[in-house]
Amino acid sequence: GQQVMQIPQYQHVQEGEDFTTYCNSSTTLSNIQWYKQRPGGHPVFLIQLVKSGEVKKQKRLTFQFGEAKKNSSLHITATQTTDVGTYFCAVSGSARQLTFGSGTQLTVLP
Amino acid sequence: ETGVTQTPRHLVMGMTNKKSLKCEQHLGHNAMYWYKQSAKKPLELMFVYNFKEQTENNSVPSRFSPECPNSSHLFLHLHTLQPEDSALYLCASSQDLWSASGGGSSYNEQFFGPGTRLTVL
Repeated sequence: GQQVMQIPQYQHVQEGEDFTTYCNSSTTLSNIQWYKQRPGGHPVFLIQLVKSGEVKKQKRLTFQFGEAKKNSSLHITATQTTDVGTYFCAVSGSARQLTFGSGTQLTVLP
Repeated sequence: ETGVTQTPRHLVMGMTNKKSLKCEQHLGHNAMYWYKQSAKKPLELMFVYNFKEQTENNSVPSRFSPECPNSSHLFLHLHTLQPEDSALYLCASSQDLWSASGGGSSYNEQFFGPGTRLTVL
């Protein structure tokens, strides 16, 4: 299946600071999805990016898809304690199989 | 959320036991999935069913046996498991496997159940 690297693995931020997680692939992606998993919970779909250079916003969350469709980022502005959880990217390449990244575990310190 | 339900939520079994995990989706979706989530590994896709037909089997050991009697129900039958099989088993569903978008095709968003926390002793 498609290989994707997600960094960082862990991130601790003070409440109010910004946070960014990145997903990188060596090959061109058809699309990328982002999911959030709260501690003890299950992954919940956040968004899907399809077009080259696409940028989408959801309140304090900004999602970007690279021009070459090989990387993506999720940026959270002014983190809150409710943002705690693990953020996963999921990609589908030419093999038509959805592969999840290893996730970035976000801790927000009050 | 009650769109995708899984039972049991927790399961402890010995290596010689036989048990089954159940997943039910109430969303009218056509595709269903089994994933394994271990502490130190990313989500691993195990099986995919589309319109009750298995379309993916990602080299999963035969001690895991899926069953999809209809588009709303998915089972994972377990027998002679190993301690390293202890993990969170997540079921997910999506409208279809993929849809046309941006000149190509992309996987549809997946809706996950709460998972079954499995411990193999």
